[in-house]
Amino acid sequence: GEDVEQSLFLSVREGDSSVINCTYTDSSSTYLYWYKQEPGAGLQLLTYIFSNMDMKQDQRLTVLLNKKDKHLSLRIADTQTGDSAIYFCAYHGGATNKLIFGTGTLLAVQP
Amino acid sequence: DTGVSQDPRHKITKRGQNVTFRCDPISEHNRLYWYRQTLGQGPEFLTYFQNEAQLEKSRLLSDRFSAERPKGSFSTLEIQRTEQGDSAMYLCASSPTGLPPIEQYFGPGTRLTVT
Repeated sequence: GEDVEQSLFLSVREGDSSVINCTYTDSSSTYLYWYKQEPGAGLQLLTYIFSNMDMKQDQRLTVLLNKKDKHLSLRIADTQTGDSAIYFCAYHGGATNKLIFGTGTLLAVQP
Repeated sequence: DTGVSQDPRHKITKRGQNVTFRCDPISEHNRLYWYRQTLGQGPEFLTYFQNEAQLEKSRLLSDRFSAERPKGSFSTLEIQRTEQGDSAMYLCASSPTGLPPIEQYFGPGTRLTVT
């Protein structure tokens, strides 16, 4: 199947860490991605992780992948009000070029 | 290049009318994708072009939908006999050819409202 599930909403205070979770069903995924969507703007790729990695760090972003449990998470350190957006996990299967997106998590950062 | 552009940004139409959307990808990108996003959901894949060839179509793309990329540059998505269920954001993305990971660059989308 192609189901990708995310929690709908997360609220954090500015300066705290945010953790956005994603579970997926397709075990053939080679790369998993995190995209950010701000109002009125296109989707923007934040980071990605190869399926044989457990962790990837990119400045304030840390991606954790538990392939056994098919669980992906995105941690944003020192969350800022500018991080308020919808975050989508997505995967790109080996034989196809399309992206399969999760349902999205709305991150609200309180000042 | 300023990125992927889409036109129009908003379209309101009456049920039964035909609509056409345009996407201009990043100029050197061979691959072009159309997605549809409804409120509270993630984008869903519709179709994919490699240059002018349409290589994949989702089962979401009913007979009322047709997409073209005649010269391998811009693309159009036409919806015939629109229905209220077609109301959504239609997103276009482009990417270069190559092995993954390949970033897909998204346009701002065309929001369609069918009344």
